[in-house]
Amino acid sequence: NAGVTQTPKFQVLKTGQSMTLQCAQDMNHNSMYWYRQDPGMGLRLIYYSASEGTTDKGEVPNGYNVSRLNKREFSLRLESAAPSQTSVYFCASSGNRGRAEAFFGQGTRLTVV
Amino acid sequence: DAKTTQPNSMESNEEEPVHLPCNHSTISGTDYIHWYRQLPSQGPEYVIHGLTSNVNNRMASLAIAEDRKSSTLILHRATLRDAAVYYCILRFSGGYQKVTFGTGTKLQVIP
Repeated sequence: NAGVTQTPKFQVLKTGQSMTLQCAQDMNHNSMYWYRQDPGMGLRLIYYSASEGTTDKGEVPNGYNVSRLNKREFSLRLESAAPSQTSVYFCASSGNRGRAEAFFGQGTRLTVV
Repeated sequence: DAKTTQPNSMESNEEEPVHLPCNHSTISGTDYIHWYRQLPSQGPEYVIHGLTSNVNNRMASLAIAEDRKSSTLILHRATLRDAAVYYCILRFSGGYQKVTFGTGTKLQVIP
């Protein structure tokens, strides 16, 4: 059981380049999330999706776009990367109910130079 | 969203019990209390959750105050592997809700 899979694990971008972070889950969860974690800080929610076809902004959405391609996949796109977007990005999924446990991927370490 | 407050850091000696507190004074009657931990260089992992009653599992125990305005995660015998950041969050029991994290408590375990 793979759980939540993120690709790539590491990426270096030049300022202004674009890229898409991929996330897939195999637990049939409705909800999926993207977080960023800066060094020594907690997780901040970028975007989330309650179900296929729906997405909503989180705490720090500026500079990002997302796509919920189907129930399994939730991608995060940086259209024009900036050094301030250097961070570790985590994808997560969960059921919708309050008792539902959230599962996290291993993260993508992104550096923008 | 209801907020949680945790100490920034705590220390514990190895093989001693650890009590990690969390305040959530604005909790609603339909919010579940969840705890996650994040080991160095890894994604967060689920530890335990509860609604009103105390809960035990193989990883930890969760003690919930009678008024539900605070809770305590209990690690019965801390090991070096328990050194992590521990997050306390609230999840609405009804429909969908975004899941947000605070800054958590960094637990240091001293050999």
